[in-house]
Amino acid sequence: AQSVTQLGSHVSVSEGALVLLRCNYSSSVPPYLFWYVQYPNQGLQLLLKYTSAATLVKGINGFEAEFKKSETSFHLTKPSAHMSDAAEYFCAVSDSTGNQFYFGTGTSLTVIP
Amino acid sequence: NAGVMQNPRHLVRRRGQEARLRCSPMKGHSHVYWYRQLPEEGLKFMVYLQKENIIDESGMPKERFSAEFPKEGPSILRIQQVVRGDSAAYFCASSITIEGQPRDPMNTEAFFGQGTRLTVV
Repeated sequence: AQSVTQLGSHVSVSEGALVLLRCNYSSSVPPYLFWYVQYPNQGLQLLLKYTSAATLVKGINGFEAEFKKSETSFHLTKPSAHMSDAAEYFCAVSDSTGNQFYFGTGTSLTVIP
Repeated sequence: NAGVMQNPRHLVRRRGQEARLRCSPMKGHSHVYWYRQLPEEGLKFMVYLQKENIIDESGMPKERFSAEFPKEGPSILRIQQVVRGDSAAYFCASSITIEGQPRDPMNTEAFFGQGTRLTVV
């Protein structure tokens, strides 16, 4: 069975500050991990993905995430928040067959000017 | 290559009516997923289909909800006798998956449509 837990349903940061969105996963098999972003009234857009290659994954818009097997974590970071980063962020896990994607409940990011 | 197309974007139905939500996956994708999003609840998996087959419907309510993905045409999520609690955003996603085999790491993610926002009045 697989699942993800996103700690913090709402995160607020000041513009220019570090963004850290937390995701912990549970998987009985080597996981594939994803971060998606959702802007208001839009669908989900892939930010980045981990597929058992490099543990530090770089995505679009300056975001990156590090896969830590010992901590079963895949936290999303960005060194300097921009106003345009305000959105809902979802972490997801699947196995290598891709027969299912499990999403977290999402984290709403607010960027304060 | 067009993305995942969902229509309509917005749908208003009166209680007791039927709602039909359509999803055309990306070209070459044979697997479709439906999710429901309620405020403050994130994305809830509903059903996973491939052409003419339901692979996993463990997230579908037992009554009033059904889904299909015919050999030709879009995937349809059908909600009969809608109630106010059905009001939500419904998202469709598609992926390239060869069942039972590890995926190509270059084609692992699910691609999402813009969603259909159902309002039951």
